[in-house]
Amino acid sequence: AQSVTQLDSQVPVFEEAPVELRCNYSSSVSVYLFWYVQYPNQGLQLLLKYLSGSTLVKGINGFEAEFNKSQTSFHLRKPSVHISDTAEYFCAVRRGRSGGGADGLTFGKGTHLIIQP
Amino acid sequence: NAGVMQNPRHLVRRRGQEARLRCSPMKGHSHVYWYRQLPEEGLKFMVYLQKENIIDESGMPKERFSAEFPKEGPSILRIQQVVRGDSAAYFCASSPASKDEQYFGPGTRLTVT
Repeated sequence: AQSVTQLDSQVPVFEEAPVELRCNYSSSVSVYLFWYVQYPNQGLQLLLKYLSGSTLVKGINGFEAEFNKSQTSFHLRKPSVHISDTAEYFCAVRRGRSGGGADGLTFGKGTHLIIQP
Repeated sequence: NAGVMQNPRHLVRRRGQEARLRCSPMKGHSHVYWYRQLPEEGLKFMVYLQKENIIDESGMPKERFSAEFPKEGPSILRIQQVVRGDSAAYFCASSPASKDEQYFGPGTRLTVT
């Protein structure tokens, strides 16, 4: 089984400042890693994903994340945030192609990013 | 290409009633996943279906909950005899194949009074 830990339930940041949202996972098999964003009363939108290859992944809206296998982390970063980035961010994992088994995503509890003017 | 569609967006049921939540996957997608989001928690996987088959229901409560994805029509998540603890947002996602990216619908917010 996999598990995901998002260490911060809330992260307040001033506009135009950099931000990092932390995500750690555990799994006994290879995994795919994802970051999703959820705006109020909406569904989830994929920000970026890591399947294989380069450990630095670039996504939409200026976000990027780095996969660190030794630290089992997949932290999300943005160099300069905007008011419109205020949302809930979820880290998720799923078994990779060699992992077999179920394909459902396992999510962290989410981090609420609050951008202050 | 329309995205994943869910209806209704909001559903209110009294305790003991039945709730039916519908999900129409994106065109060309034959894999559907249901997730539940309880207040202050992340999303929890419930069930994974392909057309006419339940592939993985390891996240489904053992009683009162069922899901189907018929050959024709949307996928249905059915909750019988709802209780207050069933109040949550239920999200559907679809993908073209089992290991591909999942695209999420806007969710159905169920309130049990």
